[in-house]
Amino acid sequence: DQQVKQNSPSLSVQEGRISILNCDYTNSMFDYFLWYKKYPAEGPTFLISISSIKDKNEDGRFTVFLNKSAKHLSLHIVPSQPGDSAVYFCAANRDDKIIFGKGTRLHILP
Amino acid sequence: NAGVTQTPKFQVLKTGQSMTLQCAQDMNHNSMYWYRQDPGMGLRLIYYSASEGTTDKGEVPNGYNVSRLNKREFSLRLESAAPSQTSVYFCASRKLTGVEGYTFGSGTRLTVV
Repeated sequence: DQQVKQNSPSLSVQEGRISILNCDYTNSMFDYFLWYKKYPAEGPTFLISISSIKDKNEDGRFTVFLNKSAKHLSLHIVPSQPGDSAVYFCAANRDDKIIFGKGTRLHILP
Repeated sequence: NAGVTQTPKFQVLKTGQSMTLQCAQDMNHNSMYWYRQDPGMGLRLIYYSASEGTTDKGEVPNGYNVSRLNKREFSLRLESAAPSQTSVYFCASRKLTGVEGYTFGSGTRLTVV
């Protein structure tokens, strides 16, 4: 049973507009959540995280929102740039382990 | 550059052959992990090591063994490779506590024919 779900396999957004990537989770014991970005032929790289006691964390163009009651988080990228085209993994941490969603492929259109 | 180094980057095996994937980190991290990535499946945890001398099973451990050789190195062994083990394998490490999560290696692309 998937504990971290990314229901959109892909997303296309015009350059300069806002990209919103969504993620749902089922386990209320996760203590923080993360987003990773992955380019082809490279390992995932950490992008941003949020503690389960927060509802928002911002880092430059990237903002993560957490809605605990809905068990939902989202990543906002504003403005979207060509280099943002990648696969984005939502992830959740409990104890020593991180559980990943299946990923969303983001295409930034010129 | 500091980070996680995986070898080899590519490997083709015949069914039944064995091999060891190597991973080393130079960041003095305590925990190390092996994941596999398959199309449409995301990243799934195979084995992990919370500290030197300890290893534990993850979500998909069958067909694999691991060794935490020292604090720096964590290897993954396939004793008898099967086509279902065709995948991209990622090693990762993390500090004892860290909201940044893992640092990943660049992956090993394994094909079993």
